[in-house]
Amino acid sequence: SQKIEQNSEALNIQEGKTATLTCNYTNYSPAYLQWYRQDPGRGPVFLLLIRENEKEKRKERLKVTFDTTLKQSLFHITASQPADSATYLCALTHGSSNTGKLIFGQGTTLQVKP
Amino acid sequence: GAGVSQSPSNKVTEKGKDVELRCDPISGHTALYWYRQSLGQGLEFLIYFQGNSAPDKSGLPSDRFSAERTGGSVSTLTIQRTQQEDSAVYLCASSLAEGYGYTFGSGTRLTVV
Repeated sequence: SQKIEQNSEALNIQEGKTATLTCNYTNYSPAYLQWYRQDPGRGPVFLLLIRENEKEKRKERLKVTFDTTLKQSLFHITASQPADSATYLCALTHGSSNTGKLIFGQGTTLQVKP
Repeated sequence: GAGVSQSPSNKVTEKGKDVELRCDPISGHTALYWYRQSLGQGLEFLIYFQGNSAPDKSGLPSDRFSAERTGGSVSTLTIQRTQQEDSAVYLCASSLAEGYGYTFGSGTRLTVV
């Protein structure tokens, strides 16, 4: 069956360290993968999109990698700050011919301690 | 508008009543999506509109759920004969086209009592 797995346990790190969040998937062949941030009581906010033919994408302190062989994406936040504390969702499409609909993982909660 | 607007922000309804949830997407965005999120859960896809194409309704949980998008802009999600298990946050999102990031609204929190 199709699955998107993100670590359900909260990730607690110290301010200034690099946070690394993992997204694994099975039985999908996504054309692209996206990462979102969600704060309590709010809708998700788009962060980064990476395509199947890209290995890495960066935006300011954020970096995403996409390994279609391992079926895994890693999301890194460098020099983390308490304001980065939130739930981070990965989302992907199912197939290169069905690029409109995103399927979301359950999210991983990040807590950055000062 | 500047963002995706959803109304109402909160709705409490009695079991068995019908409800309508509204979404105003960003002007010019051709794609519009509805998801729902139960407490502590991930986002569950409901329906997707892309331009003038037939909508992808594959995520609607039952025939009590329906949605329309008028004039390629505003969308309404209707739930008939609401049940307690329909209680959730209903999120609408729009995107410029397929393959672009979504912009989400703040959601409608539906409580069925």
